[in-house]
Formats: sequence, structure tokens, C-alpha cells
Amino acid sequence: AQSVTQPDIHITVSEGASLELRCNYSYGATPYLFWYVQSPGQGLQLLLKYFSGDTLVQGIKGFEAEFKRSQSSFNLRKPSVHWSDAAEYFCAVGARTGFQKLVFGTGTRLLVSP
Amino acid sequence: DADVTQTPRNRITKTGKRIMLECSQTKGHDRMYWYRQDPGLGLRLIYYSFDVKDINKGEISDGYSVSRQAQAKFSLSLESAIPNQTALYFCATSDVRDRDQETQYFGPGTRLLVL
Repeated sequence: AQSVTQPDIHITVSEGASLELRCNYSYGATPYLFWYVQSPGQGLQLLLKYFSGDTLVQGIKGFEAEFKRSQSSFNLRKPSVHWSDAAEYFCAVGARTGFQKLVFGTGTRLLVSP
Repeated sequence: DADVTQTPRNRITKTGKRIMLECSQTKGHDRMYWYRQDPGLGLRLIYYSFDVKDINKGEISDGYSVSRQAQAKFSLSLESAIPNQTALYFCATSDVRDRDQETQYFGPGTRLLVL
């Protein structure tokens, strides 16, 4: 069975600084990986996804993530954080078991300081 | 208009009451899902449906039931609500035609409080 670990519950970053959110997964086969963002009072919005091919994937809002098989990681990055990026971020791993079964991490809450 | 809508957005109910949460989608997707989100636990799958006649239990289905009234509508019921069902509930959809790139898209959520 697959599992996801997001080791940081909260992260505070200054506006304009770079950001990296960590995600480690456990899965016996090639994973499908996703990052979603949940802004306050909002639903989950897909930021980016990895299925195959180039291990560096670009998403919306200037985010990118890199799949590193050797480290079982899919960390999310942004070079310059904006105050509007304050939200909760969820990493998820999908397994092809008749459908795209998603297992979510527990989330990382990003706070942006002025 | 949003592709995946959920009603109500917020609901307060009492222990023992029956309530229904509704989800509608205009994406034309065949697959629909219900999740609950609890602080510190991420999202957990309650039920999922591949089409109107195909409904399956997820990892935490006890105390819940669902109905797929049409391809576009998927409702979640709590037959007799209890306080530990207080949570944020999300509906999601996906398209089997996406095959190896199948992606789930989420609604805005329903915040439920059971007193």
C-alpha cells in the first residue's frame, strides 16, 4: 500500500523568499504524484502532477516539483513566495488499482511573513 | 460556474439526525468520490463511484451511505450523525478516458458540525 509523508506541519517564509515543501512517498511501483493547494475557505486546487517523463514538472502559480526516485521524494518549490501563497499544501500519491486511488499526506501549512 | 459544486457549504446538525450532502459536476466525468478531511489526517476516501451502477466503499465508509442519482450527481448521507463525523467533506471527479493520466478534481467542500 502506498503512503505519503509531509514532515513539516507548518512552514513560515518571508515574502519574496524561496520555498521548498517536502514530500516523501512509499510505493512499490512507479508512482503518480500530485500536489494540491487548499487556500483558506477554498477547496483543493491541483497545482501540478507527475505521471512519467521529465522529472521536473511545472505547475500553476509559478510552482514546480521534482521527482527523485532514488530518494522517494516529490518536493514542491517556488523561487519567490507571494503573500497569496499562504495556504495548506497536500502531496498525494496515486496507484493504478482499477482507478486512480489517491493517498494524501497530512499537509503542510505555509505562512508568509511580510 | 464551478465545474464541481457542493451543497450545502456549511451545515450544523444534531446527533442522531439524518443529513445529505450533495455534489454536482459539469465536467462530464464518469467517476466521482467522497472524502473527509480532518485536521492532521489529510483526506481519507469514504466512497467512490465509477458510474451510476457501480459504487464502492472506501477506507472509512462506516456510518455513511451514498447515492449516484445520475452521472453528474453523487450524494453522501449520514443516516444518524455523530459528533466524530464533524469534518470537512470533499467531492471529487475524474475521467477514466484520461487513462494513465487520470486526475481528480475537487469541489469547494462542505463543512459539517455535528453537535
